[in-house]
Amino acid sequence: GNSVTQMEGPVTLSEEAFLTINCTYTATGYPSLFWYVQYPGEGLQLLLKATKADDKGSNKGFEATYRKETTSFHLEKGSVQVSDSAVYFCAPPAGGYNKLIFGAGTRLAVHP
Amino acid sequence: KAGVTQTPRYLIKTRGQQVTLSCSPISGHRSVSWYQQTPGQGLQFLFEYFSETQRNKGNFPGRFSGRQFSNSRSEMNVSTLELGDSALYLCASSLVTGTEQYFGPGTRLTVT
Repeated sequence: GNSVTQMEGPVTLSEEAFLTINCTYTATGYPSLFWYVQYPGEGLQLLLKATKADDKGSNKGFEATYRKETTSFHLEKGSVQVSDSAVYFCAPPAGGYNKLIFGAGTRLAVHP
Repeated sequence: KAGVTQTPRYLIKTRGQQVTLSCSPISGHRSVSWYQQTPGQGLQFLFEYFSETQRNKGNFPGRFSGRQFSNSRSEMNVSTLELGDSALYLCASSLVTGTEQYFGPGTRLTVT
């Protein structure tokens, strides 16, 4: 079945530092890929998506490129802010109808 | 457009009792998925409904069940509650299969 491997956290950065969170997956075909973010005490928010190979998803300064050759979908941001402190989840489909599989999540802490 | 809503937001139950959680999807969305989030197991898929039919089911015991109504609202039921059922239950809706899912704020269930 499909699977996802996500970089373990926690990741601690200073404000304005560069962020990379690695995500690799196995999947049948070339499904849409998603990154979700969870702020403390809240549900998941869709951060960005890519619908086909070589697509770049972007939102709020975050970017991720769908790399079919390396089956990766790494999340990047050039300059993080304290408000970006949250848990980030890479979520490819698991196969079947609207079933996402989630990695363990990567907790990001940004300090001033 | 209103987001996904879940009720109640918090619930405390006793072992052996049963509980029903409710989810109202985004208007026009016909697919509703349910996930369980715990510190130990992370995010796990429970089931997915589309047009009142369960199309996909995760690896949970039969105590976990759900249904969807003609207006796409969904409920999930857990019978004979166990301590290990304490979790954040998240509902997500999507327009069609394979597209992004939008999550509600979750229902936090505590079993004592």
